[in-house]
Amino acid sequence: GAVVSQHPSWVICKSGTSVKIECRSLDFQATTMFWYRQFPKQSLMLMATSNEGSKATYEQGVEKDKFLINHASLTLSTLTVTSAHPEDSSFYICSAFLRGTETQYFGPGTRLLVL
Amino acid sequence: KQEVTQIPAALSVPEGENLVLNCSFTDSAIYNLQWFRQDPGKGLTSLLLIQSSQREQTSGRLNASLDKSSGRSTLYIAASQPGDSATYLCAVNQAGTALIFGKGTTLSVSS
Repeated sequence: GAVVSQHPSWVICKSGTSVKIECRSLDFQATTMFWYRQFPKQSLMLMATSNEGSKATYEQGVEKDKFLINHASLTLSTLTVTSAHPEDSSFYICSAFLRGTETQYFGPGTRLLVL
Repeated sequence: KQEVTQIPAALSVPEGENLVLNCSFTDSAIYNLQWFRQDPGKGLTSLLLIQSSQREQTSGRLNASLDKSSGRSTLYIAASQPGDSATYLCAVNQAGTALIFGKGTTLSVSS
């Protein structure tokens, strides 16, 4: 149980295009999901907290207009990287809270390469 | 603001050695502490989760301890194997908040 999926696992896009990444909790409902970013040889940095039915909370230094987060249902959160640039190339990982356990379950990640 | 530090940043050992990875955190008011493994280019594999009321957790050759009052945790790996080579990440959270990660320890076990 407590499986989180991400789609796509890999995406290559041209500079200036937008990319949407989906994060799904497959067998549980998640009112809260988190989005992280990991640059090469660095650790995971929290980007934002996504709450179902409300606006996401962004960490300091993360542009909310560039990284659009939508959490429209209890099993799906999406991250859209708008007008992507090469510096946005990174590994994006989501996680979901299993209610009542305070435990986060992580998706397998999405590797984004912007050319 | 919570900060998580892991020492050493990198470690190379011969196969069979027992080793200890260290993690410290600045705010002792944590809810969970979790150790993860990450292979190059891959996602996270959860190894051990210690709740704030617990002192240690064990899984196979892995043992993690938690000293909440001093803000420290250790991950003990017994009889290391080449397959243990990976980056090990320590992370903590408070109730209802996201895990905050350290920068990791990259382990290399040679045969």
